[in-house]
Amino acid sequence: GAVVSQHPSWVICKSGTSVKIECRSLDFQATTMFWYRQFPKQSLMLMATSNEGSKATYEQGVEKDKFLINHASLTLSTLTVTSAHPEDSSFYICSAPGQVGTEAFFGQGTRLTVV
Amino acid sequence: SQKIEQNSEALNIQEGKTATLTCNYTNYSPAYLQWYRQDPGRGPVFLLLIRENEKEKRKERLKVTFDTTLKQSLFHITASQPADSATYLCADNNNDMRFGAGTRLTVKP
Repeated sequence: GAVVSQHPSWVICKSGTSVKIECRSLDFQATTMFWYRQFPKQSLMLMATSNEGSKATYEQGVEKDKFLINHASLTLSTLTVTSAHPEDSSFYICSAPGQVGTEAFFGQGTRLTVV
Repeated sequence: SQKIEQNSEALNIQEGKTATLTCNYTNYSPAYLQWYRQDPGRGPVFLLLIRENEKEKRKERLKVTFDTTLKQSLFHITASQPADSATYLCADNNNDMRFGAGTRLTVKP
């Protein structure tokens, strides 16, 4: 099946710094990428949808200036957490939808810890 | 508002028994429902997808049903094994895919 590679798998950063998370579709072109956040023992919460060549669509309550999303090519989408704070510590996961009526393909996830 | 829900946070069963997990949706009619497995610290892994015009779908020890009258999907694991212990998520297949909260299944030997 299709593969989405997410990097890094974990990162620890200091408060106030920025962290970039990358998601690459390895063997297919992803015009759309979903970004999720997951807190411990909770489900995936959709943060935003990135679209190649256009602005991302953010879910209500998600600060677009804090979570910068770039989808510069058909194989790469990035999420940058700017001016990170400890409350941003979470598990971030990307996914690329398959064709209509098929499954989505998920990255391995990134564990972000802000200290 | 449109919701997709898994009301059981956790399910504990004995090895060899059948695990049954429930997913309900309200205020809309998804064309598809999907089930994923998620292990701690990992991204979800796709298991099965069922369309609204399909009543049942099987894959090895897994079975999924879709009841549009009850607005519900059931996910069954037969002859469960400790290795089946994980969190299972249901999701719809809209453009902005929504997930249920997940059910944490523990299969005890």
